[in-house]
Amino acid sequence: DTGVSQDPRHKITKRGQNVTFRCDPISEHNRLYWYRQTLGQGPEFLTYFQNEAQLEKSRLLSDRFSAERPKGSFSTLEIQRTEQGDSAMYLCASSATGSPYNEQFFGPGTRLTVL
Amino acid sequence: AQSVTQLDSQVPVFEEAPVELRCNYSSSVSVYLFWYVQYPNQGLQLLLKYLSGSTLVKGINGFEAEFNKSQTSFHLRKPSVHISDTAEYFCAVSGVYGSQGNLIFGKGTKLSVKP
Repeated sequence: DTGVSQDPRHKITKRGQNVTFRCDPISEHNRLYWYRQTLGQGPEFLTYFQNEAQLEKSRLLSDRFSAERPKGSFSTLEIQRTEQGDSAMYLCASSATGSPYNEQFFGPGTRLTVL
Repeated sequence: AQSVTQLDSQVPVFEEAPVELRCNYSSSVSVYLFWYVQYPNQGLQLLLKYLSGSTLVKGINGFEAEFNKSQTSFHLRKPSVHISDTAEYFCAVSGVYGSQGNLIFGKGTKLSVKP
């Protein structure tokens, strides 16, 4: 079990550039979540996949954000035309389906700095 | 909708002293409750969770929490802390019904253990 991995761990970009982050979940997990954590705040839910289907999106996810999970395995989160307000830690988590609740395992996060 | 309030943003404590980190939640539906820990430059790790049953739940690293439905609280306690417990702690909730499992987090409490 290698855990949830995220790449890159750090990204510095200039305002207006596009960035893409990758998340590799635990292999048998079919649920995948993206969260954003800004300084002094707890993580905030962005979006959720079950297999390849994106089933829920937060209103925090503006039109500049897009997430995919094309084969139900890894996922990418793209931010177009980055703004300074996008600077945050982007966290990915995965879990398996079942009942009553399945623990979400978090990756180490990608820290984005927009200059 | 659910919300979580962590009443203390920072808690300094001496090594081997007891500690309580406070968490209150608001929800119109039944919830699952969680405490996560985040060490510097790392992802979130689950400490413990309340799903149902006994209101006193025990987690890893000697932590425990008590669910109090009437006070809508889920405070985290440890009888004797170590330097290694220095980290940020997040309380989180998830709706039992109609939820895809996404977590609603509090703003976090930074625990600083001093020698």
